Amino acid sequence: ELKVEQNPLFLSMQEEKNYTIYCNYSTTSDRLYWYRQDPGKSLESLFVLLSNGAVKQEGRLMASLDTKARLSTLHITAAVHDLSATYFCAVDPYLIQGAQKLVFGQGTRLTINP
Amino acid sequence: GAGVSQSPSNKVTEKGKDVELRCDPISGHTALYWYRQSLGQGLEFLIYFQGNSAPDKSGLPSDRFSAERTGGSVSTLTIQRTQQEDSAVYLCASSPFGITDTQYFGPGTRLTVL
Repeated sequence: ELKVEQNPLFLSMQEEKNYTIYCNYSTTSDRLYWYRQDPGKSLESLFVLLSNGAVKQEGRLMASLDTKARLSTLHITAAVHDLSATYFCAVDPYLIQGAQKLVFGQGTRLTINP
Repeated sequence: GAGVSQSPSNKVTEKGKDVELRCDPISGHTALYWYRQSLGQGLEFLIYFQGNSAPDKSGLPSDRFSAERTGGSVSTLTIQRTQQEDSAVYLCASSPFGITDTQYFGPGTRLTVL
């Protein structure tokens, strides 16, 4: 059974600091997705990583994928309050032909304090 | 443009009653997914549709759960004889045909079973 584990689960940071969220998964896959969820809201797609070594950046967020280590990271640079949210990684373990059966991590609740 | 919509946004029901949750995917998206988000279980995959077909129903928690999709568009998730453990947020997502496409999530239906 595929397991996707994120750490930390809770992260409280100050503005302007840098930090990294880790996503480890237990089976071979080169399809990894990062989502953001604000309180009471649905999931918003952030990044789609589809190959070993893939790196995507958007503003202060950068995501990378190492399929050999089965590890993805979400790096936050010079955090600002607007980035406070819960971040989920999700892995597609190729269980379905022609579609995705995403397995999500537990989520990392990020709070950025002024 | 219009995103994924779900109705109702909130549903409170009594134990033992049946409920129907509706999902309207983004126009033209052939793949449709149902997930459940609860405090105890995190985000769980329930079922997906490719067109009107649901090839994999293994994620449905019990035989009280069923889903259908008509016209390659609207989908309904039905829960019969609801139990308190069914209380959760039910999320629907859709994506264009393609195994690596981003899934676009709806706002969810919060189900509370009393």
